[in-house]
Amino acid sequence: AQTVTQSQPEMSVQEAETVTLSCTYDTSESDYYLFWYKQPPSRQMILVIRQEAYKQQNATENRFSVNFQKAAKSFSLKISDSQLGDAAMYFCAYWSAGGTSYGKLTFGQGTILTVHP
Amino acid sequence: NAGVTQTPKFQVLKTGQSMTLQCAQDMNHNSMYWYRQDPGMGLRLIYYSASEGTTDKGEVPNGYNVSRLNKREFSLRLESAAPSQTSVYFCASNRKGTAGNTIYFGEGSWLTVV
Repeated sequence: AQTVTQSQPEMSVQEAETVTLSCTYDTSESDYYLFWYKQPPSRQMILVIRQEAYKQQNATENRFSVNFQKAAKSFSLKISDSQLGDAAMYFCAYWSAGGTSYGKLTFGQGTILTVHP
Repeated sequence: NAGVTQTPKFQVLKTGQSMTLQCAQDMNHNSMYWYRQDPGMGLRLIYYSASEGTTDKGEVPNGYNVSRLNKREFSLRLESAAPSQTSVYFCASNRKGTAGNTIYFGEGSWLTVV
């Protein structure tokens, strides 16, 4: 079974600084997708960035980028020029694209990000 | 979130009562999901349906049943509610296509069992 681990329950960053959130996963599959979601206090789930496992190039969305290390099964999120609005819970997620778990979407435990002015 | 509708948004149940959470999506998605989120914690998968006509257990299926009524609808039933099922429930659906993999979430259903 696939598992997703976020080892940092809480992180903090100063406004305008850079912070990296960690995520590791365990799988025997070769085809999958990885996601980072942001959840503000409203509980809305907001897609931050996604990465297809077969793509070597790291995904980037404006101030958000990932460091995808497939062999190490690591998928970290870097937030540059942090803003107060980035404060939220961040979840890493794994979507199975093949095998007996096709379509299964598994989340990590989450990391609470605090941004200090 | 546009496209995934959950009802009800809030519900209070007494221990032992039953209820069904409804979820519908109008995006022609194949896969649908039910999660629960307890305070300060992540989303735990209850059940999912990779395609119409199939359902599979997730991490925490005990005490729940699901029905994939058709491609649009995926309901979650609590047959005999327990206080441990007090949580926020999220439905999600998924489209995997040429534009990449896109997952949409409902706004959540707050359930309290007293």
